[in-house]
Amino acid sequence: EVQLVESGGGLVQPGGSLRLSCAASGFTFSSYSMNWVRQAPGKGLEWLSHIRRSSGIRYYADSVRGRFTISRDNAKNSLYLQMNSLRADDTAVYYCARETTVVSESYFDYWGQGTLVTVSS
Amino acid sequence: QLVLTQSPSASASLGASVKLTCTLSSGHTSYTIAWHQQQPEKGPRYLMKVNSDGSHSKGDGIPDRFSGSSSGAERYLTISSLQSEDEADYYCQTWATGIQVFGGGTKLTVL
Repeated sequence: EVQLVESGGGLVQPGGSLRLSCAASGFTFSSYSMNWVRQAPGKGLEWLSHIRRSSGIRYYADSVRGRFTISRDNAKNSLYLQMNSLRADDTAVYYCARETTVVSESYFDYWGQGTLVTVSS
Repeated sequence: QLVLTQSPSASASLGASVKLTCTLSSGHTSYTIAWHQQQPEKGPRYLMKVNSDGSHSKGDGIPDRFSGSSSGAERYLTISSLQSEDEADYYCQTWATGIQVFGGGTKLTVL
């Protein structure tokens, strides 16, 4: 059974940093690209970042580029999101999502349950 | 610009059918999209992907009550024999090099 379990969320002050983790199991982690997606309270889903299987290619949404860094450790079956210079509008539930790619198609086929990040003084 | 447009809300009666729509922006009308369901207080769940020709492939364990179709720039999610647990937010998603895009979501109310 595919499982994605996020952790590391919590309360942080504006300007602070936080590192999220996503533990993957039930599939060959190194064979899949992975993503982070967030959802602000009462809002829709917002894609944040993508990392290829071998960490060679990474993409970011404009809203987090330069502040957030995605990484992975295939030996530990883990995905990470380092978040710096946090702002109040970064308050959200953060999800990791597995990305399946078939030829030119690419979509999220498994999601975690999310971890809440609250940025407030 | 790659944009997905969804109606904010929809409603249908228990046991009835409902068809949700996701519209692709001009210049991207041949794209495949994916549908995701988010029940209250839960993480999203992948339902299916829908191609421009209307063919679709569902995720693991998705009931036959859920189906997909297409017409031009529109991609549809049809849910038949509505059940109370189908009350949820539904998001469409698509992709291009270096970016993933979500629609704004449709909140489905089962009456």
